[in-house]
Amino acid sequence: SQQGEEDPQALSIQEGENATMNCSYKTSINNLQWYRQNSGRGLVHLILIRSNEREKHSGRLRVTLDTSKKSSSLLITASRAADTASYFCATADSYNTDKLIFGTGTRLQVFP
Amino acid sequence: DGGITQSPKYLFRKEGQNVTLSCEQNLNHDAMYWYRQDPGQGLRLIYYSQIVNDFQKGDIAEGYSVSREKKESFPLTVTSAQKNPTAFYLCASSIGLAGDYNEQFFGPGTRLTVL
Repeated sequence: SQQGEEDPQALSIQEGENATMNCSYKTSINNLQWYRQNSGRGLVHLILIRSNEREKHSGRLRVTLDTSKKSSSLLITASRAADTASYFCATADSYNTDKLIFGTGTRLQVFP
Repeated sequence: DGGITQSPKYLFRKEGQNVTLSCEQNLNHDAMYWYRQDPGQGLRLIYYSQIVNDFQKGDIAEGYSVSREKKESFPLTVTSAQKNPTAFYLCASSIGLAGDYNEQFFGPGTRLTVL
């Protein structure tokens, strides 16, 4: 399997704090995407960053990409209890562009 | 409403039985995907289809089969050859290839339990 690794596996914070999740991958990529999954539900797309981009923002989300280190981070600022979910990174390989390869996920718990 | 639907939400199967999971989308997407998710883990690709009447194996296709007779529909059959079928199954669709900067849209999932 070429699944990426996410770090930490689980994260617990208080409302108002920032949450940072990291993703490492193994191959040369075309783009990297972050998804959110509430317990027992389908995934929802959050943000896509292209391989030639270094940083991207969407609302309270900030994503960085370092292709030299094959890593990405997702920062959620001013977290809310409703942000409690699992977060997954997914990569589109440069040489096999048909599909996404998903990481193992970070479980985020935000306490009120 | 545009979206992707899966049915049933919960499915129970006896060992040795085949079962078919439904996935329908009205987003006019060309590509459709089936993933398996085990507790506390990421998604693993079972099969995918980029166009009607064509599909490709993913990373864990053994014991599964699919068809793509219509653009809107991509049913997954879990056969008795699948050794450990109890899992959460997710269907997704996208307008095109992941490498063309396309996001995937997911259905709500089907939880299959083998008794």
